[in-house]
Amino acid sequence: DTEVTQTPKHLVMGMTNKKSLKCEQHMGHRAMYWYKQKAKKPPELMFVYSYEKLSINESVPSRFSPECPNSSLLNLHLHALQPEDSALYLCASSQAIVTDTQYFGPGTRLTVL
Amino acid sequence: GENVEQHPSTLSVQEGDSAVIKCTYSDSASNYFPWYKQELGKRPQLIIDIRSNVGEKKDQRIAVTLNKTAKHFSLHITETQPEDSAVYFCAAGSNYKLTFGKGTLLTVNP
Repeated sequence: DTEVTQTPKHLVMGMTNKKSLKCEQHMGHRAMYWYKQKAKKPPELMFVYSYEKLSINESVPSRFSPECPNSSLLNLHLHALQPEDSALYLCASSQAIVTDTQYFGPGTRLTVL
Repeated sequence: GENVEQHPSTLSVQEGDSAVIKCTYSDSASNYFPWYKQELGKRPQLIIDIRSNVGEKKDQRIAVTLNKTAKHFSLHITETQPEDSAVYFCAAGSNYKLTFGKGTLLTVNP
């Protein structure tokens, strides 16, 4: 299996809701990432997990809470989001470190009302 | 932190022509330079990458060159086809993170 999968594909939520995004890979990769991508912009790094431990948090607001339950799974818990948080959320994974090839999932299109 | 500049922001070519996209980076610690292609509504897909110990790499119609001294790298696509139309992102990476350029919208006209 050479794919990164993400669920759900689309998510609409209100500002008071709590929801979670899920990412899964079965390539044996030990580094996993969350990126945020706004329309017509490049992906912007949010978090990096290395060997299931959070190694980088790019000063992301606490309303975004990442979790890595095991080496194949990465979650992003969302709470009290703002409309400006609407974006495509991409998960990626790589063999071990940032400079290994990063494979992206298809993303979750998030709309915050 | 790292800053990656990418030019041009849009590029329109005729089918069969070549396309060149250029990027510069600021952090001399960056040692990994991937290029991603992103079609509308789809995930970024790696098309080629180069590491700082290599000056040039080629894969069929796609090539990348790196000039470490000048801190710039370029993507070359030869014999362009309509299916090459997409947004292309360059990136510069170190152990810390991957920083992307702002992207180039390539349109290949049949």
